[in-house]
Amino acid sequence: KNQVEQSPQSLIILEGKNCTLQCNYTVSPFSNLRWYKQDTGRGPVSLTIMTFSENTKSNGRYTATLDADTKQSSLHITASQLSDSASYICVVSAYTGANNLFFGTGTRLTVIP
Amino acid sequence: DAGVTQSPTHLIKTRGQQVTLRCSPISGHKSVSWYQQVLGQGPQFIFQYYEKEERGRGNFPDRFSARQFPNYSSELNVNALLLGDSALYLCASSLRQGFTNEQFFGPGTRLTVL
Repeated sequence: KNQVEQSPQSLIILEGKNCTLQCNYTVSPFSNLRWYKQDTGRGPVSLTIMTFSENTKSNGRYTATLDADTKQSSLHITASQLSDSASYICVVSAYTGANNLFFGTGTRLTVIP
Repeated sequence: DAGVTQSPTHLIKTRGQQVTLRCSPISGHKSVSWYQQVLGQGPQFIFQYYEKEERGRGNFPDRFSARQFPNYSSELNVNALLLGDSALYLCASSLRQGFTNEQFFGPGTRLTVL
């Protein structure tokens, strides 16, 4: 069964600290993996996208890693800011006879002063 | 430059009714995808349309249907509404079909079924 699981479900950190969010997937055949940031009540905004051959990609203070062998990805946030408070969603795309996209349930990050 | 727009912003319907949601993609984008996001969960893929044809479909019943117009805008229709259809419906556009291209999401339509 094609699934995307994220951990932790929620996280609270102090402003300025780093954190790492995890994503495990069983989606096959794998096409690409992306991380989105979603503010409450808003549409998701893309942070990074990685294909099978890429194992690291950065976007400012956000760094995503991908291990296609173990089917794991992580999103590392450096020097967190209050504006980083949001849900972070891991999304895996596949071609299962047709285009398909599988979303994790997200990690709810709260950055406190 | 306008992003993806969706209408209406909010909608309240009763069980058994039908609803139509609308999406306008970013100028130049030819692919539109629809997603359902139930409160507290991640989005689930419903449809992808490219050049007016369905190119992908998630695990949703036939009560859900969509179409894409020559100007690449799209409508999502849901018939015989159930309480469980209450959700944020997101539309995303991209340059081409498939999911190798970046998807840009609209603000969503909040549907409440009473």
